[in-house]
Amino acid sequence: QVQLQESGPGLVKPSETLSLTCTVSGGSISGYFWSWIRQPSGKGPEWIGYIYSDGTTNYNPSLKSRVTISVDTSKNHFSLKLASVTAADTAMYYCARAGYCTHGICSPFDYWGQGTRVTVSS
Amino acid sequence: EIVLTQSPGTLSLSPGERATLSCRASQSVSSRQLAWYQQKPGQAPRLLIYGASSRATGIPDRFGGSGSGTDFTLTISRLEREDFAMYYCQQYDTSPGTFGQGTKVETK
Repeated sequence: QVQLQESGPGLVKPSETLSLTCTVSGGSISGYFWSWIRQPSGKGPEWIGYIYSDGTTNYNPSLKSRVTISVDTSKNHFSLKLASVTAADTAMYYCARAGYCTHGICSPFDYWGQGTRVTVSS
Repeated sequence: EIVLTQSPGTLSLSPGERATLSCRASQSVSSRQLAWYQQKPGQAPRLLIYGASSRATGIPDRFGGSGSGTDFTLTISRLEREDFAMYYCQQYDTSPGTFGQGTKVETK
């Protein structure tokens, strides 16, 4: 059974960079597309971006200028960096798996992590 | 981007009743590339329906999806206690993929 686990600081100061890692267990990171999705409290989810195991990425245009997603296949994990954060970036952050993604579109997400809450505050 | 509007915002029903949830898209979603997720408090979303009407692995047949174009529906034929939760639709036809704001199914 594939499991995903997010990790990283729960509190980030405004203007700093949010950094999270998603560790995949129970299966290989290779051959799948891995996304970051966030959900502000009381709102619907928002797709941030995806990475394939070969390093190919695609980001939501609304966040593209601030987002970097990377992968380390040797450690079976992938990471998110979101620069210049503001209070609007406060949310639950999830990592998730999709079978296929292309040009900014992913097939439905079949495995999700439990999520990690990130608050942006001084 | 495609905006998905879900209605109603909250649905108050009793166990055993039928639930009908709506998801309307701001433009046509081709090839019925629409999914539904269930989310319970403190948990990640769980995929219920993909391709507008296909149930994901392990999803009971009381969950059904229908629709095309701009109007989609999730139906729960007879509510079980574990079905009281938030439900989100997601389109994966046009980049970027987007989610609706959700419908809460609560106990009456």
